Amino acid sequence: AQKITQTQPGMFVQEKEAVTLDCTYDTSDPSYGLFWYKQPSSGEMIFLIYQGSYDQQNATEGRYSLNFQKARKSANLVISASQLGDSAMYFCAMRGLQHGNQFYFGTGTSLTVIP
Amino acid sequence: KAGVTQTPRYLIKTRGQQVTLSCSPISGHRSVSWYQQTPGQGLQFLFEYFSETQRNKGNFPGRFSGRQFSNSRSEMNVSTLELGDSALYLCASSLTSGRGLTDTQYFGPGTRLTVL
Repeated sequence: AQKITQTQPGMFVQEKEAVTLDCTYDTSDPSYGLFWYKQPSSGEMIFLIYQGSYDQQNATEGRYSLNFQKARKSANLVISASQLGDSAMYFCAMRGLQHGNQFYFGTGTSLTVIP
Repeated sequence: KAGVTQTPRYLIKTRGQQVTLSCSPISGHRSVSWYQQTPGQGLQFLFEYFSETQRNKGNFPGRFSGRQFSNSRSEMNVSTLELGDSALYLCASSLTSGRGLTDTQYFGPGTRLTVL
């Protein structure tokens, strides 16, 4: 079975500061992918960043980077220079080759950016 | 390229009724997955369709069903609605079905269903 754990139900960050959202996972799959999504209050899930289990380098996409520590089974999202528009729910997800196309999602972290 | 579209965006139904939700994937995407999102249960996988065939199914009762058409558009049906079916229903599309780990799922805006 696959499991994603996000232990921070809510986080606050000052505008222009960096913030780290935690994600740990458990899987028996030798190959897997890790994803982060953002869900504003409008409801739409927006894809942010992807990390493959065999990628040697941490993924980066603009202000988003993924701190991937395979041995610790963690895939934390780092948002640099937070903006007011970053206030949203953030979900960590994973999928493995042995589990088809099914994505497994964490419970999410609510991020609030304070001006 | 147009994103995933879902219709309708909002629905209000009463208990016992049935409802059909529609999802049009990104052009070229052949896989469509459906999720139910509620404050209490979070995001739960309903099912996935690829090339008109159901490939994966979550742990939901048979009242929840779906189908996919030859143009990859998908519909989800819920029969005999219950109050607990009130949720945001999200559809996601991807290019393939489990062939590549990098195959990202792109989500639509969701259909918010309220059952009275």
